[in-house]
Amino acid sequence: DVKVTQSSRYLVKRTGEKVFLECVQDMDHENMFWYRQDPGLGLRLIYFSYDVKMKEKGDIPEGYSVSREKKERFSLILESASTNQTSMYLCASLLRPSYNSPLHFGNGTRLTVT
Amino acid sequence: SQQGEEDPQALSIQEGENATMNCSYKTSINNLQWYRQNSGRGLVHLILIRSNEREKHSGRLRVTLDTSKKSSSLLITASRAADTASYFCATDKDNDMRFGAGTRLTVKP
Repeated sequence: DVKVTQSSRYLVKRTGEKVFLECVQDMDHENMFWYRQDPGLGLRLIYFSYDVKMKEKGDIPEGYSVSREKKERFSLILESASTNQTSMYLCASLLRPSYNSPLHFGNGTRLTVT
Repeated sequence: SQQGEEDPQALSIQEGENATMNCSYKTSINNLQWYRQNSGRGLVHLILIRSNEREKHSGRLRVTLDTSKKSSSLLITASRAADTASYFCATDKDNDMRFGAGTRLTVKP
């Protein structure tokens, strides 16, 4: 069974801090995604990656960057955390860039920026 | 940008009743998927329906897809208290996955 692991369930950070959210998948999936989830807005795509060292912007990349140095790990970086980045962050992976594959999600990281 | 929009935003029913949730979307798709999220957790994939399919079943779940109307529905039959969760539709176009805001389902025992 596919396992997508997010390193932290809860994080509290201060405004201006640099924040790293880590995500690891164990099934050699090619595509990985970072979403943020806010009440009433559903899931919004921040960045995704379809290969090592490759990344693509999603709908709301401002204030974020990503790193994918190894296939199994996809990191989301908040360069200078702000209070409007308080949210639930969800990482997901996808088996291969083919059609008709489901996403596999981690359990999420609830980030609070004070 | 959001692709799918679920309707209703919230639904409350008694155990044993059926629950129907709807999803509308705007552009062409390869497939449409439904996910479930228990409070504060990640999303779990429930069912996938391809664009050339019209109906699909999985246990107590029944999904329909009408590509001419760009809409889908998820029916949960004989609901249980454990079905209480948020349900999301997601549209897939060339692995560009877009989600709606979800339907919050409450099943009262």
